Amino acid sequence: DTAVSQTPKYLVTQMGNDKSIKCEQNLGHDTMYWYKQDSKKFLKIMFSYNNKELIINETVPNRFSPKSPDKAHLNLHINSLELGDSAVYFCASSQGAGAPNSPLHFGNGTRLTVT
Amino acid sequence: GDSVTQMEGPVTLSEEAFLTINCTYTATGYPSLFWYVQYPGEGLQLLLKATKADDKGSNKGFEATYRKETTSFHLEKGSVQVSDSAVYFCALSYNQGGKLIFGQGTELSVKP
Repeated sequence: DTAVSQTPKYLVTQMGNDKSIKCEQNLGHDTMYWYKQDSKKFLKIMFSYNNKELIINETVPNRFSPKSPDKAHLNLHINSLELGDSAVYFCASSQGAGAPNSPLHFGNGTRLTVT
Repeated sequence: GDSVTQMEGPVTLSEEAFLTINCTYTATGYPSLFWYVQYPGEGLQLLLKATKADDKGSNKGFEATYRKETTSFHLEKGSVQVSDSAVYFCALSYNQGGKLIFGQGTELSVKP
């Protein structure tokens, strides 16, 4: 019974394609996030949603569009993929928008490779 | 802006050795501090946290103390095990929508 699950685990695609990554959490949390981890393992927040409302958009190119159909799901759609989009994308969730006593729970990541 | 800096890895230790992973931060305010651990092929898991100066976070034999005077949050463990091999991330947060600012991660490899 995985708490935060992402699909697919691996995604290999060509430049210019459009792809989506899905995320679901069964923890009853009201806030969800997308983080990007580059090849040097550096992690940076991309987006966060609280109760389906966007609350953080961290200057991500508008080729990236998050969608939250309900508070248990946060999907990431990427248009016109570029080589530099290759990374591991992590979904996470928390109860409340990141209070210290409500840590983030991360999924296992989606490794995106753009060729 | 705010940032977190960790010691370079990889760190290679023998089992039962003492571990220190250094973490220093630059902050404009008074953030909470965290250590997360990433095991191979998995997502990050919270290891421990401290929410104010002089707080000590501890979990699974790991501990770190929030030192405001040195802006540090070094991770320590008295006796590491092979199962501790992972990448360790130091992070800070002001609770602004759950935004965590991470250090670059330190890979730890423990040999039997």
